[in-house]
Amino acid sequence: DGGITQSPKYLFRKEGQNVTLSCEQNLNHDAMYWYRQDPGQGLRLIYYSQIVNDFQKGDIAEGYSVSREKKESFPLTVTSAQKNPTAFYLCASSISRAETQYFGPGTRLLVL
Amino acid sequence: KQEVTQIPAALSVPEGENLVLNCSFTDSAIYNLQWFRQDPGKGLTSLLLIQSSQREQTSGRLNASLDKSSGRSTLYIAASQPGDSATYLCATLGGQGNLIFGKGTKLSVKP
Repeated sequence: DGGITQSPKYLFRKEGQNVTLSCEQNLNHDAMYWYRQDPGQGLRLIYYSQIVNDFQKGDIAEGYSVSREKKESFPLTVTSAQKNPTAFYLCASSISRAETQYFGPGTRLLVL
Repeated sequence: KQEVTQIPAALSVPEGENLVLNCSFTDSAIYNLQWFRQDPGKGLTSLLLIQSSQREQTSGRLNASLDKSSGRSTLYIAASQPGDSATYLCATLGGQGNLIFGKGTKLSVKP
């Protein structure tokens, strides 16, 4: 089956801890994205990548970091600098930035 | 800066009713507009994508229209069913290549 997978489904972070959210796709898409969704809010773009070994900041990149070492994978690290990390995180991919984005099932991050 | 607004924020209708969801945007310089569906606690599912040169797109009981000059799009759902209950999001793709999302309309279809 082709698609986008995210893991884990739920993630708990302690104060001062960095955590990494996984995003994998087997759709052979060049572009990948990370969004944050807060209750009652629209999705906001954190980072995006148009090609391997390249990525760009989105609207709310502070306190987050990413890597794109493989076409299939685009992990997101929530660092201790992100003071309000509790949210629903969604990964997406597309053939190119002008095409339809396909979304993963999401990871809910909670702070202990 | 592009702003996308969806009205109403929530809508409850009886099964079988035809309904319209509204989306407005402030910057008409868009490449396309997309409609998504989101079930509670889930990711987004793409419903329809309308290119800037198109006026409408149809998929089954769904029809989306686009009027760039007025900065509006509508999603028409015919003969609504309880399974249509979800949050519907619209998003515009602009020159910087970023999708800008509205906050969504939460639809409830009552049996």
